[in-house]
Amino acid sequence: DQQVKQNSPSLSVQEGRISILNCDYTNSMFDYFLWYKKYPAEGPTFLISISSIKDKNEDGRFTVFLNKSAKHLSLHIVPSQPGDSAVYFCAAHGANNLFFGTGTRLTVIP
Amino acid sequence: EAGVVQSPRYKIIEKKQPVAFWCNPISGHNTLYWYLQNLGQGPELLIRYENEEAVDDSQLPKDRFSAERLKGVDSTLKIQPAELGDSAVYLCASSLDSDAPGDTQYFGPGTRLTVL
Repeated sequence: DQQVKQNSPSLSVQEGRISILNCDYTNSMFDYFLWYKKYPAEGPTFLISISSIKDKNEDGRFTVFLNKSAKHLSLHIVPSQPGDSAVYFCAAHGANNLFFGTGTRLTVIP
Repeated sequence: EAGVVQSPRYKIIEKKQPVAFWCNPISGHNTLYWYLQNLGQGPELLIRYENEEAVDDSQLPKDRFSAERLKGVDSTLKIQPAELGDSAVYLCASSLDSDAPGDTQYFGPGTRLTVL
């Protein structure tokens, strides 16, 4: 059973606008969450993380929001740039392991 | 600093043949992971090593898959014999210490296996 879900397989956004990628999870024991970015023919690259005791973490253009009561997190990218076009994976940490969603392909249109 | 290194990057074999993948983690990282990624899916853990000890291999199909990390650094993952359904990307990742809060995993580029 998938413990981490990314229900949007793809998202297209105009350059300069905000990209919002969503992720839902089922296990309330996860202690932190991560976002990875993946370009074709490369491995996932760590982007940003958030502890389960926080509700927001910001790093430059990237902000992750966590809503524990809804078991939902989101990644905001603003402003979006063409170089942000990639597949984004949400991951949740529990029992010393990571559980990944199926990814959302973001396309930023110049 | 060098990242996680994997080889080969691509491998094409016929079914029933053996295949091996190699991983060199980031220097100083005690924890090493092997993941399987099928097309359109996220990575799924196969095995996790703490130094040279395999501490979680519950998802490793042990009838055909094996792994080792003899000196607690490099690791190899082997499939023998390979089946058509093994075609996927095999990712290696490493982290400093999986027991540490907020421990982050860093991934290699992966090996894309095609079984014909």
